[in-house]
Amino acid sequence: EAGVAQSPRYKIIEKRQSVAFWCNPISGHATLYWYQQILGQGPKLLIQFQNNGVVDDSQLPKDRFSAERLKGVDSTLKIQPAKLEDSAVYLCASSTGGSSSYNEQFFGPGTRLTVL
Amino acid sequence: DQQVKQNSPSLSVQEGRISILNCDYTNSMFDYFLWYKKYPAEGPTFLISISSIKDKNEDGRFTVFLNKSAKHLSLHIVPSQPGDSAVYFCAASDKTSGSRLTFGEGTQLTVNP
Repeated sequence: EAGVAQSPRYKIIEKRQSVAFWCNPISGHATLYWYQQILGQGPKLLIQFQNNGVVDDSQLPKDRFSAERLKGVDSTLKIQPAKLEDSAVYLCASSTGGSSSYNEQFFGPGTRLTVL
Repeated sequence: DQQVKQNSPSLSVQEGRISILNCDYTNSMFDYFLWYKKYPAEGPTFLISISSIKDKNEDGRFTVFLNKSAKHLSLHIVPSQPGDSAVYFCAASDKTSGSRLTFGEGTQLTVNP
């Protein structure tokens, strides 16, 4: 079974530029998550999708971050414009999204973003 | 507000000995706890979990203990192996937030041959 795919793996941009990340979850997984992991910290949830609908985006900085999952499969996360403090690893995860309170999340390798 | 805390940024142990990684939480609504392991340049991978109705869960060399009254959990690895060297994240979830995970800061475990 193929895992969660993410691209690009690395990205370097200058502040005020725009950047987009792509994620393809495990086939059949209804729930998709985007996390931000700043160096020395644990992953922090940015947004959670159930199929193509947003379940939780309470921690997404909506003035500059946006995400979509139009067909309920792959997803893109965009930052426009980027700030220095956006330098982090952006992790995508997916789960089956069943009815229990917890479903194991499977993580992709992440995209390391450096903002100069 | 850091609801899940791992107070030890790093831990070093000898091969064959026990590794004990600790995690504290503040949110009494958390009802499910997990440990993830992360190698460099890879995403976190699930290791072991425990429901709040239990106080211990064991899987091979890995055991997680939960002390609800102290809001504390720990991961024991016995015996430790060099391949266990990684960053270990403690995470928690509660029913009211669906499957959202709240992570600790991580502990870098180094197992020396």
